Amino acid sequence: DAGVTQSPTHLIKTRGQQVTLRCSPKSGHDTVSWYQQALGQGPQFIFQYYEEEERQRGNFPDRFSGHQFPNYSSELNVNALLLGDSALYLCASSPNGDSSYEQYFGPGTRLTVT
Amino acid sequence: AQTVTQSQPEMSVQEAETVTLSCTYDTSESDYYLFWYKQPPSRQMILVIRQEAYKQQNATENRFSVNFQKAAKSFSLKISDSQLGDAAMYFCAYSNTGNQFYFGTGTSLTVIP
Repeated sequence: DAGVTQSPTHLIKTRGQQVTLRCSPKSGHDTVSWYQQALGQGPQFIFQYYEEEERQRGNFPDRFSGHQFPNYSSELNVNALLLGDSALYLCASSPNGDSSYEQYFGPGTRLTVT
Repeated sequence: AQTVTQSQPEMSVQEAETVTLSCTYDTSESDYYLFWYKQPPSRQMILVIRQEAYKQQNATENRFSVNFQKAAKSFSLKISDSQLGDAAMYFCAYSNTGNQFYFGTGTSLTVIP
């Protein structure tokens, strides 16, 4: 049973560029959450997707957007990259309903903005 | 707003000994979940243990146990018989909706052979 997968593993971008990160949830999970983890910090919630819609959003600017596909996979898009966007981006999946607290994390995508 | 505080940036323990990691949180909710996650150098966050706030009994998972003090808003993790593989960053996390998780800043645990 494949767990949560993310691609790419590493990414280097230049300020002002746009980036797309991808996540495939664990089998049987229909909810995907995205987190940003800056160096030396805990993960910060960006948003969560369920039924192809953004269900909840953290305190992040509109430059951060996402999408969920019918197969439950998800993308995180960041526009107009800033140096401060350099971080590890984690995707977590969970089943809906009473087990929604069971979040399983992927290995993350390390984004470096130069 | 919910906040999670881990006041120990770094901890160390001798192999086979016991160590306790501290966590406090702030919330006005009465029903919520608390978690401890482990993040090894491989970066993948792994759930160590989970506690439901409505349960008075402290959760236990093999060598890992928690001391949940709801009135004090305290949630500590005890690791018994520490092993080299326990070395990692440990994050305390809170969620009351299952949607948004709030994480602390982490405690780096070193296990000394």
